[in-house]
Amino acid sequence: DTGVSQNPRHKITKRGQNVTFRCDPISEHNRLYWYRQTLGQGPEFLTYFQNEAQLEKSRLLSDRFSAERPKGSFSTLEIQRTEQGDSAMYLCASSPPRDRSTDTQYFGPGTRLTVL
Amino acid sequence: AQKVTQAQTEISVVEKEDVTLDCVYETRDTTYYLFWYKQPPSGELVFLIRRNSFDEQNEISGRYSWNFQKSTSSFNFTITASQVVDSAVYFCALRRNSGGSNYKLTFGKGTLLTVNP
Repeated sequence: DTGVSQNPRHKITKRGQNVTFRCDPISEHNRLYWYRQTLGQGPEFLTYFQNEAQLEKSRLLSDRFSAERPKGSFSTLEIQRTEQGDSAMYLCASSPPRDRSTDTQYFGPGTRLTVL
Repeated sequence: AQKVTQAQTEISVVEKEDVTLDCVYETRDTTYYLFWYKQPPSGELVFLIRRNSFDEQNEISGRYSWNFQKSTSSFNFTITASQVVDSAVYFCALRRNSGGSNYKLTFGKGTLLTVNP
């Protein structure tokens, strides 16, 4: 299996612009997660999909953020009207259908966003 | 509420030294999962281990070993005979076994390990 992939790896944008990131999970992983990691901190949960359904959104995910997973495969995370505080690493993870022996989240390489 | 504390912000050792990374967690749940991840400079979080709260056996995998002490809410990670390639940020994480939001990981702030040649 190939791992979780994320594109782009780096994104530099100006304040006020919209950006979109893509995550391709490990094949057959029906669960997908987005986390955000700022400098010197651990990742913080943003949102969770089971198949195409978005089951939870963190309070960290303001109205400017939207995530989709239209066909239960890849996911996109869009940030509208970016602010400098949005600068962070955005990590995607996936996990297989719930089973005690395999219920582990596998992470992609992340997209590093810099808002100027 | 779930909380993970990694009190050691940075550790620096010389190659071949043993090093222990501390992790203390807080949860009101009786069952839960604990994890360790490694984040090398490339940025990708690499899964190392998952431990169920009802299994307190310690585990060894090559140069890595984990000591789970439910009585002190600790899940410490030891690297024996450290190598330069072990240099990375290491994260401890906690996940609920049941109940609401029992899929999201709560991470500590990480420990930056530098292994010098």
